[in-house]
Amino acid sequence: NAGVTQTPKFQVLKTGQSMTLQCAQDMNHEYMSWYRQDPGMGLRLIHYSVGAGITDQGEVPNGYNVSRSTTEDFPLRLLSAAPSQTSVYFCASSKRQGYNEQFFGPGTRLTVL
Amino acid sequence: AQKVTQAQTEISVVEKEDVTLDCVYETRDTTYYLFWYKQPPSGELVFLIRRNSFDEQNEISGRYSWNFQKSTSSFNFTITASQVVDSAVYFCALSGNSGGYQKVTFGTGTKLQVIP
Repeated sequence: NAGVTQTPKFQVLKTGQSMTLQCAQDMNHEYMSWYRQDPGMGLRLIHYSVGAGITDQGEVPNGYNVSRSTTEDFPLRLLSAAPSQTSVYFCASSKRQGYNEQFFGPGTRLTVL
Repeated sequence: AQKVTQAQTEISVVEKEDVTLDCVYETRDTTYYLFWYKQPPSGELVFLIRRNSFDEQNEISGRYSWNFQKSTSSFNFTITASQVVDSAVYFCALSGNSGGYQKVTFGTGTKLQVIP
């Protein structure tokens, strides 16, 4: 099992550019989520999904879009990158919604200039 | 809305000292789950423990122990005889649904430095 994989590991964008952060898991987990980690802020939930076709917003959803067409994949789209979106992004999955421990990907470090 | 507070931003201890990391939570749910995760300097996030709201038994795993007290809404984590490898950021998290889907809220983390 590869667990949770994220690509890319590093990315530099210019303000206004769009991009998609990829996340995949091979554990047949129902629940997947995206967090951003900023110094002093901990991990903040951006969007999450409780199963294929079902997504919902977290604490800080503005500027991000998600969809979940398969159980395995949960991409995060930045529509028009802003310097405030400079952060480390983590994708996570768990067996069922919220009850089980989450398995995290290695993270994507994004810089927006 | 649910909330997790980790008031200790950074803690430094000398190796072999005991250290307790505090976690206080707020929720209106009667059923919820509490977690601790570790983030070593390499950056990955590692699950340590899960507790549900109906299980107030303390847990011990080697040098790690957890004290869950519903009366004070706290879920504290103690490391006994700390080691340099314990240096990391530790996050407390709460999962609740407040009538909707389960969401997980993390605290801001406590950075622990163990000095040899």
